[in-house]
Amino acid sequence: DVKVTQSSRYLVKRTGEKVFLECVQDMDHENMFWYRQDPGLGLRLIYFSYDVKMKEKGDIPEGYSVSREKKERFSLILESASTNQTSMYLCASSPPETNSYEQYFGPGTRLTVT
Amino acid sequence: GNSVTQMEGPVTLSEEAFLTINCTYTATGYPSLFWYVQYPGEGLQLLLKATKADDKGSNKGFEATYRKETTSFHLEKGSVQVSDSAVYFCALSVKEGSYIPTFGRGTSLIVHP
Repeated sequence: DVKVTQSSRYLVKRTGEKVFLECVQDMDHENMFWYRQDPGLGLRLIYFSYDVKMKEKGDIPEGYSVSREKKERFSLILESASTNQTSMYLCASSPPETNSYEQYFGPGTRLTVT
Repeated sequence: GNSVTQMEGPVTLSEEAFLTINCTYTATGYPSLFWYVQYPGEGLQLLLKATKADDKGSNKGFEATYRKETTSFHLEKGSVQVSDSAVYFCALSVKEGSYIPTFGRGTSLIVHP
């Protein structure tokens, strides 16, 4: 089974702190994604990566950056956390081009910025 | 562009009732279609999928049929259980340019004993 793990289930940070959210997948997937999930807004794509050291902006990249130094690990960075970044953050991975492109999700990190 | 529209919730049912959650889509190419489920406190997991017209995806008693003529992929289950209470997301991926999926906003299902 594909396993996607995220470093924390719950995180509380103060405004202005630098925050690192880590995601690791164990199935050698090329593609990795970071989403945030908010009530009434569904999933919104922050950044994604097709390969090591490669990144692409999603729909809402402002205030975030990412790092992919190894194929299995994709990190989301909040350079200076703000209260409007309080949210559920979901990491996902998917295999290279296949017929169906389904995604495999981690359990999520619920981040609260105070 | 691509978009997915699914019925707003919450959908509230009694145990053993019939479930339908509607999903319609627009896509610039030929999409693959998915239903994901998110149980409380967890991430999303793939429930079922269909990759071409008239395909039926099924899993855990849930079914959905890829209807190209009506651009729909409605989720159904004949008899829901309390354990089916979750949020259900319809999604599509199109192999043109990139295959970044497009998700619907999710439909919350609450099943009462």
